[in-house]
Amino acid sequence: ETGVTQTPRHLVMGMTNKKSLKCEQHLGHNAMYWYKQSAKKPLELMFVYSLEERVENNSVPSRFSPECPNSSHLFLHLHTLQPEDSALYLCASSRWTSGGPSTDTQYFGPGTRLTVL
Amino acid sequence: QKEVEQNSGPLSVPEGAIASLNCTYSDRGSQSFFWYRQYSGKSPELIMFIYSNGDKEDGRFTAQLNKASQYVSLLIRDSQPSDSATYLCAVNAYSSASKIIFGSGTRLSIRP
Repeated sequence: ETGVTQTPRHLVMGMTNKKSLKCEQHLGHNAMYWYKQSAKKPLELMFVYSLEERVENNSVPSRFSPECPNSSHLFLHLHTLQPEDSALYLCASSRWTSGGPSTDTQYFGPGTRLTVL
Repeated sequence: QKEVEQNSGPLSVPEGAIASLNCTYSDRGSQSFFWYRQYSGKSPELIMFIYSNGDKEDGRFTAQLNKASQYVSLLIRDSQPSDSATYLCAVNAYSSASKIIFGSGTRLSIRP
């Protein structure tokens, strides 16, 4: 399997549930990202794992918790979400080095459409 | 001021014509510039990236970068109905992987 995969593709959960989104990249990249895309809003960067460094967006509520066990896998753990968290959650990966911009092109997975009831 | 600005559209272009999409950015330290295409309900797909001032051509697509004026554009020649989508401009500052900022996108509609 190639590229960036995400599971599940669709998820419906109640506000008291705990669920996890999974992302896997098969591109040999060393940086992985979680984005949130809501209707009529720009992509919002949530979390980045790059060269084993986690960079966190301070505006992300603690009910979202990322986990990156290795350079190929990324999880987003969800608990006690709110209806306004319903959105498309996109994972992306890139090959990033500190030496220059030529390797930072991001490739996206198909996304998980999340609905919080 | 938004960091990456795009006209939301919709931009309507007749089939066979040239579609011109524009993007401006605020961070003068930006080094990498990307255009993504996103069909409704799908994830963004990279079309082109550009790092140097001037034009970069790939098939029917041409990206243009002017760092002095802080804008980047995408031209689509011989527009096809399959080009109808939202086009996202993304800008990456040199210093950090976390400084990838997306515009809100321009919706392009190619009319037959």
